Amino acid sequence: TQLLEQSPQFLSIQEGENLTVYCNSSSVFSSLQWYRQEPGEGPVLLVTVVTGGEVKKLKRLTFQFGDARKDSSLHITAAQPGDTGLYLCAGDRSNFGNEKLTFGTGTRLTIIP
Amino acid sequence: DTEVTQTPKHLVMGMTNKKSLKCEQHMGHRAMYWYKQKAKKPPELMFVYSYEKLSINESVPSRFSPECPNSSLLNLHLHALQPEDSALYLCASSQDMGQLIFGSGTRLTVV
Repeated sequence: TQLLEQSPQFLSIQEGENLTVYCNSSSVFSSLQWYRQEPGEGPVLLVTVVTGGEVKKLKRLTFQFGDARKDSSLHITAAQPGDTGLYLCAGDRSNFGNEKLTFGTGTRLTIIP
Repeated sequence: DTEVTQTPKHLVMGMTNKKSLKCEQHMGHRAMYWYKQKAKKPPELMFVYSYEKLSINESVPSRFSPECPNSSLLNLHLHALQPEDSALYLCASSQDMGQLIFGSGTRLTVV
């Protein structure tokens, strides 16, 4: 059973457009992280959200944690080709660290120049 | 040093071979992890070591045997693998509630 469902699974858009990726679960997480993974590399952490309702911005990326800490979204403004990659959300089910981190199903994003 | 280093980057092994994957970090992180990632799938947790002790084994078959010789090193010993074990094996480390730092992975092919 996959605890974290991401949508869409695939997304291909033109450079300059905006997009939103969703990460949904029926479980509550103590924290949630977003990673980007490029081919042949390991995932790279983008952000960690901990508090329900929390919003974090990283340049053109805006991350939001749901009030009930069951879901999250990633919004990218004015997408650029460098944003291309596999975006993974990951929820922490433990109360004391990342020992039970569960990854979402992933969103493969392609930005067309 | 802010990296997790994995060796080898690529490995091809037969079903009767014994091989080991190695992972090293010098960030003083207390937790180290092995993840398995199949093509077009998210990483799946295999093992977690906390303070050099195995704290989580996600029901991984015994043909995968982890080892943590010291706080900087993590090995994954492989024996009698099956072709379906072919995947990208990722090592990661973290400090308490901090971020997971992943290595670039070992691309394993079992023939």
